[in-house]
Amino acid sequence: EDQVTQSPEALRLQEGESSSLNCSYTVSGLRGLFWYRQDPGKGPEFLFTLYSAGEEKEKERLKATLTKKESFLHITAPKPEDSATYLCAVHFAGNNRKLIWGLGTSLAVNP
Amino acid sequence: KAGVTQTPRYLIKTRGQQVTLSCSPISGHRSVSWYQQTPGQGLQFLFEYFSETQRNKGNFPGRFSGRQFSNSRSEMNVSTLELGDSALYLCASSGGTGGDEQYFGPGTRLTVT
Repeated sequence: EDQVTQSPEALRLQEGESSSLNCSYTVSGLRGLFWYRQDPGKGPEFLFTLYSAGEEKEKERLKATLTKKESFLHITAPKPEDSATYLCAVHFAGNNRKLIWGLGTSLAVNP
Repeated sequence: KAGVTQTPRYLIKTRGQQVTLSCSPISGHRSVSWYQQTPGQGLQFLFEYFSETQRNKGNFPGRFSGRQFSNSRSEMNVSTLELGDSALYLCASSGGTGGDEQYFGPGTRLTVT
């Protein structure tokens, strides 16, 4: 069964303490992997798209990487404003353009 | 460029009533997808419309329906509301070609009492 799994479910960091979030998938024919950030009560905000293994994208303190079976979202020296839920979604060939979403990682950064 | 807009932002209904939610996509985007989000369930795909045609459908009962107009604006309707329909309903727009990212609106918070 095609699945997207995110880990950990929740993560608490101190300000400045770098870490990584994981998104693993069991689909074949990846056409794109997407990272989003969601603040409570709001719609997800698009962060990155990755298309092929080895690809990397960066934005401020965030860096997303992709391998053949998983993606990492690295957060360097996080600040309290980085606190949010980070969602991962996968689009793959043969699924008629539907995205498969992970349940997200809830990140809290303490000052 | 204006983002995705959704109206209303908040809604309170009673069981058995019906509700219509509206979504205006980013200018030039032809695809609109609808999602239901509840705590612990993540984003559940409802349906996608592209050029006024339903292109994909999730596993929701027939009480949930939608449509898209020629200007790409979309509406979703839920009839005979149940308590379990209380959720954040999100609309997302994209260009409509395979593999492109979706941009979300702020959502409509529906509470069924």
